[in-house]
Amino acid sequence: QSALTQPPSASGSPGQSVTISCTGTSSDVGRYNYVSWYQQHPGKAPKLIIYEVTKRPSGVPDRFSGSKSGNTASLTVSGLQAEDEADYYCTSFGGRNVFGTGTKLTVL
Amino acid sequence: EVQLVESGGGLVQPGGSLRLSCAASGFTLSTYWMAWVRQAPGKGLEWVANIKEDGSQQYYLDSVKGRFTISRDNAKKSVFLQMSSLRAEDTALYYCARDSGWLKYDYWGQGTLVTVSS
Repeated sequence: QSALTQPPSASGSPGQSVTISCTGTSSDVGRYNYVSWYQQHPGKAPKLIIYEVTKRPSGVPDRFSGSKSGNTASLTVSGLQAEDEADYYCTSFGGRNVFGTGTKLTVL
Repeated sequence: EVQLVESGGGLVQPGGSLRLSCAASGFTLSTYWMAWVRQAPGKGLEWVANIKEDGSQQYYLDSVKGRFTISRDNAKKSVFLQMSSLRAEDTALYYCARDSGWLKYDYWGQGTLVTVSS
């Protein structure tokens, strides 16, 4: 049950945009439009911020957006703010109940 | 308000057992898949097990198959994780999460810490 692949780290200055990738296979990310993204602040439980590739739950700022191309999904955070500094994880439906390896986002 | 509250964690010796509980409120438990997800200290999220709405299907992480059992009691609004033959590598914060479909974990508890050590 191999995890989906994410870059270990990403960074950007306040106001900038950052994109985090999530690479799976043709059996999960590439086949289904059921990619979710989670934000986790230190010492806190994960929080759903994107589901079904592009949808945002109520209350999630529209600075967070999702997309997908082939076997890779992406999370873009626009207009970076200090509170966006956190760990981010993806998941994708497709027979493997796995999370991504996680990306630590640093706001410089 | 949807709430998930985990309990039952603690310190246990290798080879020992623990039973985690997740008390659900604010929604109809019987209409959702539920999952346990763990996070070892300083590590990423790892799905452990999930269970269908009526308890008729369960799926497990390969490394816990045969050692962990997920179950639920919809009448008592609770989900459980029975863990046995515990190993040091099972040490983690264990979260209970609601799956709204297609691995969309929309609500999480605050977690219960399991430490396996002699």
